[in-house]
Amino acid sequence: EAQVTQNPRYLITVTGKKLTVTCSQNMNHEYMSWYRQDPGLGLRQIYYSMNVEVTDKGDVPEGYKVSRKEKRNFPLILESPSPNQTSLYFCASTRQGAKNIQYFGAGTRLSVL
Amino acid sequence: DAKTTQPPSMDCAEGRAANLPCNHSTISGNEYVYWYRQIHSQGPQYIIHGLKNNETNEMASLIITEDRKSSTLILPHATLRDTAVYYCIVSPHHSGNTPLVFGKGTRLSVIA
Repeated sequence: EAQVTQNPRYLITVTGKKLTVTCSQNMNHEYMSWYRQDPGLGLRQIYYSMNVEVTDKGDVPEGYKVSRKEKRNFPLILESPSPNQTSLYFCASTRQGAKNIQYFGAGTRLSVL
Repeated sequence: DAKTTQPPSMDCAEGRAANLPCNHSTISGNEYVYWYRQIHSQGPQYIIHGLKNNETNEMASLIITEDRKSSTLILPHATLRDTAVYYCIVSPHHSGNTPLVFGKGTRLSVIA
């Protein structure tokens, strides 16, 4: 089954404790992206990757890092989480040539205390 | 800012057609209309897209006006599982980075 898998689905952590949210897709998609969703603000793009070893900032990249060492994986790293990063996070992927038809993961709900 | 305007909420009786409108009066010639939905904090789900012709797939139909300034998503026989927030998005089809710009959408409630 074609899917984008995020882990963990729920995470509660404390300020400053490094964490990684994993994202994996099995559709051989070149393009992957991370969004965060906050009440009243909609979905905002954090980082994106056009292909392996090619990443760039989205609209709200501060406090986040990403890497794209393999085509299927696109982890989101919070080196020193802060309470303002409490949010619902989504990973998405799509193939080149159809970038607006994106497949989203189920989401990761993160709480930073 | 989102380039689309949608009503904040709508109700639909189960089994009836749900017609969700979207205004996109500033759409440019190379921009498509996309529809997504999000069921209660799940990941958004692609539904359908179109440029100027009406489109239909297994999930829905998309009707785009001749001047392309508005469109309607039609769910022909709404079920309770169609209760979700529906987003109308306009964007070029083959741009580089494509962050989907989700506005506030329409919250559709399907009622038994």
